[in-house]
Amino acid sequence: QKEVEQNSGPLSVPEGAIASLNCTYSDRGSQSFFWYRQYSGKSPELIMSIYSNGDKEDGRFTAQLNKASQYVSLLIRDSQPSDSATYLCAVWRNDMRFGAGTRLTVKP
Amino acid sequence: GAGVSQSPRYKVAKRGQDVALRCDPISGHVSLFWYQQALGQGPEFLTYFQNEAQLDKSGLPSDRFFAERPEGSVSTLKIQRTQQEDSAVYLCASSFQFPGVRGNTIYFGEGSWLTVV
Repeated sequence: QKEVEQNSGPLSVPEGAIASLNCTYSDRGSQSFFWYRQYSGKSPELIMSIYSNGDKEDGRFTAQLNKASQYVSLLIRDSQPSDSATYLCAVWRNDMRFGAGTRLTVKP
Repeated sequence: GAGVSQSPRYKVAKRGQDVALRCDPISGHVSLFWYQQALGQGPEFLTYFQNEAQLDKSGLPSDRFFAERPEGSVSTLKIQRTQQEDSAVYLCASSFQFPGVRGNTIYFGEGSWLTVV
């Protein structure tokens, strides 16, 4: 079992819709959780971090954390074609581990 | 510089050749990570430094891989006797504190693209 699991996708949504990205992790002692966006051929960039159970909103992005279920999600509201990228879930305990990423395509 | 700098950006190595990849983290950043990212995959953890101390090297795939950060700033990832399966992007990342500290951000370099032929 991989430490951080994501659906590889691709996930396709129409412009203006809500995109929902999911991630599960295996280490119950994990402390911090992150979502990164990676455009093709580019390096990952941080878009959200979350540390406590519940929701955290930042603009069109909402991260959700449920430590009991070992589950993290990212919602993107009013999706735009510029949101088309691979979204990486990352989990920190003693070091930072990434999932394989979910490729999102937002169609105009 | 303002960001994490990696060199070379692109490297083609013949199988069996040794390569060295350099990472200049953001000035003052304590934590430094190396990742290997194959095409279509997420970054795979290789090793982690806190200042000059290598705290975790559990991700290094074999004893052909070696990383150092002797003065707690610049880091070098060395791959000996390269093999075709080593072809990947090698990403370096740094952060001011431990990533677990709230509000701390990890910044990635643009990566070193290694092709072994």
